[in-house]
Amino acid sequence: KNEVEQSPQNLTAQEGEFITINCSYSVGISALHWLQQHPGGGIVSLFMLSSGKKKHGRLIATINIQEKHSSLHITASHPRDSAVYICAVRMYSGGGADGLTFGKGTHLIIQP
Amino acid sequence: DSGVTQTPKHLITATGQRVTLRCSPRSGDLSVYWYQQSLDQGLQFLIQYYNGEERAKGNILERFSAQQFPDLHSELNLSSLELGDSALYFCASSVAGGLGGWETQYFGPGTRLLVL
Repeated sequence: KNEVEQSPQNLTAQEGEFITINCSYSVGISALHWLQQHPGGGIVSLFMLSSGKKKHGRLIATINIQEKHSSLHITASHPRDSAVYICAVRMYSGGGADGLTFGKGTHLIIQP
Repeated sequence: DSGVTQTPKHLITATGQRVTLRCSPRSGDLSVYWYQQSLDQGLQFLIQYYNGEERAKGNILERFSAQQFPDLHSELNLSSLELGDSALYFCASSVAGGLGGWETQYFGPGTRLLVL
């Protein structure tokens, strides 16, 4: 079982729709990241969360530490939002240092 | 443009060979991270360096090694290459390297490695 689960795996929506992508994790974490990967392969960091909610333009990210769950919302979606959205967490580790652990990604297509 | 550069963009080589991937972090960033993205495994953290020293290790194979030089650029060395090493290799950097979790990481464009 993956420690970071995303849903849905694939999502196709019409322009203007409200989009929600979910991320659940099974271990304690110190931070959660949302990344966007464009069709060309480039990766952009969208948000880093340790609690609460963050907003940037049409993107909103929330996290519920108790429920081990985060959501990424896109309002007024546009075809240029079409990309793979990846959730990544930094887990607590008794040994100390850990890098990020990634979900499999959600492939989003926004149709005009 | 993230400010992180990676060379080469593409690399085609044969099994058993050795290659070196290079990463230059954003100006002022002390931490460099290496990630591998393959079709079957997705994105995986390989290793992190902070100011020249290894800070964290992930799923990096013994055939792979990395280092960070005094000018803060980093190299990932892949040896005895196998077909399964074909993947996209990303480098990312961050300002101080709080164990990867507390800082925004800026990703380079990646190096696409194909092992034939």
